Amino acid sequence: EAGVAQSPRYKIIEKRQSVAFWCNPISGHATLYWYQQILGQGPKLLIQFQNNGVVDDSQLPKDRFSAERLKGVDSTLKIQPAKLEDSAVYLCASSLFPGRGNTNEQFFGPGTRLTVL
Amino acid sequence: QQPVQSPQAVILREGEDAVINCSSSKALYSVHWYRQKHGEAPVFLMILLKGGEQKGHEKISASFNEKKQQSSLYLTASQLSYSGTYFCGLLAGKLIFGQGTTLQVKP
Repeated sequence: EAGVAQSPRYKIIEKRQSVAFWCNPISGHATLYWYQQILGQGPKLLIQFQNNGVVDDSQLPKDRFSAERLKGVDSTLKIQPAKLEDSAVYLCASSLFPGRGNTNEQFFGPGTRLTVL
Repeated sequence: QQPVQSPQAVILREGEDAVINCSSSKALYSVHWYRQKHGEAPVFLMILLKGGEQKGHEKISASFNEKKQQSSLYLTASQLSYSGTYFCGLLAGKLIFGQGTTLQVKP
């Protein structure tokens, strides 16, 4: 079974530039998550989708971050404009059951390491 | 609301045991444990649910104390492959992860 795919794996940009990350979840997984992991910390949920609807985006900095999951499969996360403090690993995860999917294990992708200079 | 893990770091020799604790200021309903190796994605270890349901992984087990609002992860007879950072995650609408405990197993 193929795992969660993410691209790119690494990205270096200047502050105030824009960047986009792509995620393809495990086939059949209705719930998709984007996490931000700053060095030395645990992952922090930015946004959770169930199919193509948003379940939780309370910690997403909406003035600069946006995410979409068209057709309930692939998802993109965008940052515009980037700040120095956005330097982190952005992890995408998916889980099998919709709705209260947090009771089930989440499968993480390899992440995108973003460096903002 | 973020769970507090202790210790922050552990260094072991192969074959030794370790305990990692995860404490919450709020009532626990389910606790997730993940392990993340350096430069890799977190990997699911187990979920503990209120009521005692538990899943295990290799020689790793866990307990869930609702009264103390605490979960503990037990690693017995540790192997080199156990090295990594262990995160507990508490379900509070969404999964909220602790800051992590770094475990290093030496030969």
